[in-house]
Formats: sequence, C-alpha cells, structure tokens
Amino acid sequence: AQKVTQAQTEISVVEKEDVTLDCVYETRDTTYYLFWYKQPPSGELVFLIRRNSFDEQNEISGRYSWNFQKSTSSFNFTITASQVVDSAVYFCALRGTNTGNQFYFGTGTSLTVIP
Amino acid sequence: ETGVTQTPRHLVMGMTNKKSLKCEQHLGHNAMYWYKQSAKKPLELMFVYNFKEQTENNSVPSRFSPECPNSSHLFLHLHTLQPEDSALYLCASSQVGTSGVSTDTQYFGPGTRLTVL
Repeated sequence: AQKVTQAQTEISVVEKEDVTLDCVYETRDTTYYLFWYKQPPSGELVFLIRRNSFDEQNEISGRYSWNFQKSTSSFNFTITASQVVDSAVYFCALRGTNTGNQFYFGTGTSLTVIP
Repeated sequence: ETGVTQTPRHLVMGMTNKKSLKCEQHLGHNAMYWYKQSAKKPLELMFVYNFKEQTENNSVPSRFSPECPNSSHLFLHLHTLQPEDSALYLCASSQVGTSGVSTDTQYFGPGTRLTVL
C-alpha cells in the first residue's frame, strides 16, 4: 500500500523562525519518487521538489531544505528564516513505479507565518 | 498563457444544472489528470488520461464525465451534482514515458472552486 502521513495539521510560527514540516511515507516499491508542493490561498499547487528513492542526498534551495531518510521513511521539509509569504498549505506526495502515474498525497500542513 | 490554466475559477451551480470545467496545458505534456480537493481530505485522483486515452477512473460517480479531445485539453462535464460535490477541482499534467509511467512531475492549474447549491 502507498500512503503519506503529514501528522502536523496546522503550524504557526513567528516571522524569521525556522520551521520543519514532517512527512512519513509507506511504500513497497523499491523505486519511488517523493514530492513537496506548496498551495497558497490562490489554490494552485506549486511544485517545490522531487526526490527519487536512490538519492538520499539532502537538498538546499535558498531558505528551503529537505531531509530524506529512507531508514525512517521520512522526507521532511525545513524553511529557514520564515517569511509571511511562506504561509500556505504544504503537501507531501509519493509516486511509486508500480502504480502507474498515481500520486498519493498527504493531508497537508497549513503553515501560518505571523509577522 | 503558460503552465496549466483552468476555467472558470469559480462556479456556483444548482443540482439540476449542467456545466463543464476546462483545463488547458501549455507544457507539451501527454498526460492530464483531474483531482478533487475537499476540506480536510487528501487530494483525490479522479481521472487520468495518457495520450488522450483514459487510463484510470477511481470509482468516480457517473455525474462526472471527463473528455480529453487532445493532449492539451481536458474537460470535466458536470450534471446532476450533489452538495457534497462542492470542492476545489484541480487539473494537472505531466510527461509520460512510452511505458505509460510518468517520468516527470505533475504540474497543477489554479483550480476551479465549485459550489453546488
């Protein structure tokens, strides 16, 4: 079974604080892909990052960083020095290679950055 | 236009109305998707089209009828909807390999906020 769990439903932080959004996944596929998307109030899901299961190297992009750990089936997302524009709902998603094109999304984490 | 566009952005309809949602992708992709996003629920995949052929229909009621006339356009025809169908309907596209497996990320449109009265 494929499943993504985002246990944090809502998070509030004060501007400039760091915040980590958790994502835990389940899959029996040996090859799979993990994604993070941002959904601002406008509604559109904005693609942030994709990782494949063979690449556990952590990635940093500006204030965003991702920590992929296969041992704990986690793909956590950290925003450093948060800004008000980071306020959005963030979704983690999984796509296996034995389930066609189907993405499995978590329920999302709503992040509010307070000025 | 760039990316994935959807029209209308907002739609209010009665249960007896017939309406259509439109999606257009400008990314040269060959696969398109409809998702339903309800409050407090994960995104639900409704339909998948690869190379204009429907490959997945995740037990969606027949009051939702998709149409994919070409690889750039996707429609969702709505009729006799129920109030519980009120949701954000998202369209996405991706590039699928010849084996039918997506080799790339899904890119989403802004969605249509549907309210059924």
